[in-house]
Amino acid sequence: AQSVTQLGSHVSVSEGALVLLRCNYSSSVPPYLFWYVQYPNQGLQLLLKYTSAATLVKGINGFEAEFKKSETSFHLTKPSAHMSDAAEYFCAVTFYSGNTPLVFGKGTRLSVIA
Amino acid sequence: GAGVSQSPSNKVTEKGKDVELRCDPISGHTALYWYRQSLGQGLEFLIYFQGNSAPDKSGLPSDRFSAERTGGSVSTLTIQRTQQEDSAVYLCASSPDRGGYGYTFGSGTRLTVV
Repeated sequence: AQSVTQLGSHVSVSEGALVLLRCNYSSSVPPYLFWYVQYPNQGLQLLLKYTSAATLVKGINGFEAEFKKSETSFHLTKPSAHMSDAAEYFCAVTFYSGNTPLVFGKGTRLSVIA
Repeated sequence: GAGVSQSPSNKVTEKGKDVELRCDPISGHTALYWYRQSLGQGLEFLIYFQGNSAPDKSGLPSDRFSAERTGGSVSTLTIQRTQQEDSAVYLCASSPDRGGYGYTFGSGTRLTVV
């Protein structure tokens, strides 16, 4: 069975500071990993995805994530936070060869302080 | 259409009533998913349709919940005899195939049972 753990339900950073949102996964087969962002009263928007190509994945809005198999991690980073980054972020896992729908973490709410 | 469309965006219903939630996926997307998002929780998988295959209903929380997808396109999620614990945001997503491409989410239906 697959699962995702997001460490920290709420992260607060200052504008211009590094953003680091943590995600660890559990999967018995090679995973596909995703980060989604949800702004208030909206659906989820795909930020980036890892599907067994390059381990460092770049996404929209300056975000990137690195797949580390040895650490079973897929942490999301951004060098400099912007006020508009304040949102809920979800990590998710699946694998292509099966029919398993995405399994989501519980989410991390990012606050950006001016 | 250009995106995944869900209707209504908000629904308030009395306890015990039946409700229908509609999802219109992106044209050509063969896979369609329903998730439920409760306050402070992550996304809970409900049901998954892939092409003409039998749907994966493993996430439906009770037999009061059902869903259908007509003509491989529009889907309707039905909740019978609604309970207060059914109050949540119901999100629909579609993808071109299985989850390796990532999902495109609709904006959701906020269901409130009073």
